[in-house]
Amino acid sequence: QKEVEQNSGPLSVPEGAIASLNCTYSDRVSQSFFWYRQYSGKSPELIMSIYSNGDKEDGRFTAQLNKASQYVSLLIRDSQPSDSATYLCAVGRIKAAGNKLTFGGGTRVLVKP
Amino acid sequence: GAVVSQHPSRVICKSGTSVKIECRSLDFQATTMFWYRQFPKQSLMLMATSNEGSKATYEQGVEKDKFLINHASLTLSTLTVTSAHPEDSSFYICSARPRGRTTGELFFGEGSRLTVL
Repeated sequence: QKEVEQNSGPLSVPEGAIASLNCTYSDRVSQSFFWYRQYSGKSPELIMSIYSNGDKEDGRFTAQLNKASQYVSLLIRDSQPSDSATYLCAVGRIKAAGNKLTFGGGTRVLVKP
Repeated sequence: GAVVSQHPSRVICKSGTSVKIECRSLDFQATTMFWYRQFPKQSLMLMATSNEGSKATYEQGVEKDKFLINHASLTLSTLTVTSAHPEDSSFYICSARPRGRTTGELFFGEGSRLTVL
């Protein structure tokens, strides 16, 4: 079992619709959770962070965390063609400077005009 | 804030030569930096953790004598691919976390695309 799992996609979404991305993780003591967006040929860019159970909204993005189910999700509302990218889920155990993040394989999202 | 810069962004070299990639934190200090490798259509693979003033910690299966890491200051880490071969062609990305920040996020450099002929 992979430590952080994501559906590889592609997730095809019509423009204006909601894209829903899911991520599960195996380390029960994980404390920090992140979503990164990576355009083709570019490096990852942090778009959301979440640490507590529940929802966190930032613009068109909403992250949802359920530690009991070891599940974190990302919703992209009013999807735009510019949202077409690979979205990486990352999980960390301790909020410490030296602690590494574990990344999922990424979900490719295609927003069609 | 939290800008990480990598250089060079692209490099082409002949098989057998060595290539050095620099990773700099421009507006913060980083006691730890991370080096990743990414092959086409695959996810990030952590290669090693670079620690300022001490030896890097390598992930299982990564040859420390082939991928030399030096973290000589709080703003600079370098990765040297020694005796590069075509199979080393990949996208190398560094990341860093601001010193003292406990929120856990990593900030990535722009990446360096290595092509070994």
